[in-house]
Amino acid sequence: AQTVTQSQPEMSVQEAETVTLSCTYDTSESDYYLFWYKQPPSRQMILVIRQEAYKQQNATENRFSVNFQKAAKSFSLKISDSQLGDAAMYFCAYRINTNAGKSTFGDGTTLTVKP
Amino acid sequence: DVKVTQSSRYLVKRTGEKVFLECVQDMDHENMFWYRQDPGLGLRLIYFSYDVKMKEKGDIPEGYSVSREKKERFSLILESASTNQTSMYLCASSFFLGGTDTQYFGPGTRLTVL
Repeated sequence: AQTVTQSQPEMSVQEAETVTLSCTYDTSESDYYLFWYKQPPSRQMILVIRQEAYKQQNATENRFSVNFQKAAKSFSLKISDSQLGDAAMYFCAYRINTNAGKSTFGDGTTLTVKP
Repeated sequence: DVKVTQSSRYLVKRTGEKVFLECVQDMDHENMFWYRQDPGLGLRLIYFSYDVKMKEKGDIPEGYSVSREKKERFSLILESASTNQTSMYLCASSFFLGGTDTQYFGPGTRLTVL
């Protein structure tokens, strides 16, 4: 069974600085996708960034980027120039590349941004 | 924009009651999901559906059932609510094809069973 581990229950960062959230996963599959979702307090969960396992290039979305290490099964999220609005719970998720497949989520990391 | 709505933001029920949680999406998504979210446990999949009248068990289906009579609506049913089902329930939807599909989440229903 696939598992997703986020080893940091809580992280904090100073506004304008950079923070990295860790995620590791366990799978025997070779074709899959990885996601980071953000859940702000009392607001809906939204996608931050996704990565296809067959792509070697790390995905980037503005201030958000990932460090995808397929052999190590590691998928960390880097947030640059942190803003107060980045404060949220972040979930790492894994999904096999198959129709109607289900995703497996990590336990989440709560990020606090200090002004 | 995709919109996923859930029938209630907060719900309080008594032990033994039958509880219905409704989820509606407006993007013609084939896949729909029900998760429960508990502190320290992340999101755990209860059931999902990839077509009308189709359903698949997730990781924690015990004590729950689902119904998908129309493509846009996916209901979660607690036949006899118990206190250990007190939780935040999240609904999500996505397209059927491929693995890159993003899941779009509803705002959640915080259920308290007394």
